[in-house]
Amino acid sequence: EPEVTQTPSHQVTQMGQEVILRCVPISNHLYFYWYRQILGQKVEFLVSFYNNEISEKSEIFDDQFSVERPDGSNFTLKIRSTKLEDSAMYFCASSEEGQANQPQHFGDGTRLSIL
Amino acid sequence: AQSVTQLGSHVSVSEGALVLLRCNYSSSVPPYLFWYVQYPNQGLQLLLKYTSAATLVKGINGFEAEFKKSEPSFHLTKPSAHMSDAAEYFCAVRSKAAGNKLTFGGGTRVLVKP
Repeated sequence: EPEVTQTPSHQVTQMGQEVILRCVPISNHLYFYWYRQILGQKVEFLVSFYNNEISEKSEIFDDQFSVERPDGSNFTLKIRSTKLEDSAMYFCASSEEGQANQPQHFGDGTRLSIL
Repeated sequence: AQSVTQLGSHVSVSEGALVLLRCNYSSSVPPYLFWYVQYPNQGLQLLLKYTSAATLVKGINGFEAEFKKSEPSFHLTKPSAHMSDAAEYFCAVRSKAAGNKLTFGGGTRVLVKP
């Protein structure tokens, strides 16, 4: 069964450094998402992306965050200047279509640790 | 606005016993509801979804959930727990009014005792 793949599985970065988290969505999917889960808290929506532009973003997704689909397969999340509070598990997801009844398929996540 | 509340952050069941995970939601418009499971060191895997076709939804691994608009709830059950069911379970809601995002509950960690 096709999967969403994320790399790396664990990223350790110094505070203030830039970090890029990578995702390869399922190949025929058109909608892409990032979520994060801070330890002990709920999974939170960050951003959705369709047709090479952001379709929706949450309050968390401020100017420090950006997303990009640099080629036909990768979908990346960049954090420009990381803070301690950015430490979390980051999940990428994709869906074939954007309707609300369509399930989103998740990757295994990248654990981001900011020192 | 939409929100999800999962009652009980931890549930312990004996192998062979009923598993019941509670999920209550609020949504200003008809919702679509999902249950995801997360095994250790893995991502979120879709268990089942409610998309208004039938109120009792069957998913993978013997799980099912019933949509009750009157409560409103979408509780997850499995008649007989297996050791492999030990995982964290997330209820999530999505609606046309709320855009593309899934709104998750806090998760319930299931421990299965032999």
